[in-house]
Amino acid sequence: GESVGLHLPTLSVQEGDNSIINCAYSNSASDYFIWYKQESGKGPQFIIDIRSNMDKRQGQRVTVLLNKTVKHLSLQIAATQPGDSAVYFCAEIYKAAGNKLTFGGGTRVLVKP
Amino acid sequence: EAQVTQNPRYLITVTGKKLTVTCSQNMNHEYMSWYRQDPGLGLRQIYYSMNVEVTDKGDVPEGYKVSRKEKRNFPLILESPSPNQTSLYFCASSLSLGRVIYNSPLHFGNGTRLTVT
Repeated sequence: GESVGLHLPTLSVQEGDNSIINCAYSNSASDYFIWYKQESGKGPQFIIDIRSNMDKRQGQRVTVLLNKTVKHLSLQIAATQPGDSAVYFCAEIYKAAGNKLTFGGGTRVLVKP
Repeated sequence: EAQVTQNPRYLITVTGKKLTVTCSQNMNHEYMSWYRQDPGLGLRQIYYSMNVEVTDKGDVPEGYKVSRKEKRNFPLILESPSPNQTSLYFCASSLSLGRVIYNSPLHFGNGTRLTVT
């Protein structure tokens, strides 16, 4: 598959445990945040999003937390499965700059059986 | 099936030989965009298009051209490729980024690995 990045931070997780992936974003005025998952050989795939006026949003097995005070976003994956092994990116959108979309650097998650 | 289709998946070429990477989406999306992904640099936007005949430069447009003659297609053109354009390229589309629509983010293709020797 494609090499997404050789310099990514890596999170190793035991199958069945919960994963927490962190992202520090750059613009305190960003309006909207998105988490993407990128599996080897594929393009990024939408996981979950959150507006800036929220601090938590839950999906299926995933929860996104937003802490605007410290400009921090996290993605929690419950009961991590082998299929969760991938690179995870956060992205922020800033409406005042024409909805400029900026991606974070990504974290590689490796699920150990 | 709703998807963004890029071709080719892999391309090896030589410096200066013009090439085109095609991108097509079947979701009637207004917004389309090209990104390149490089180790340590993440996803960087090359060009984007808000609608037919409307294109704009992203963060790294040098050495690239695009066109949007019809809504579904957004080809990326390298008139004279150079080795520093060796990268993994992604096309993406969205209903509209002119107005942010919750739960309607970018949909990505599966990428084109380009090597320029």
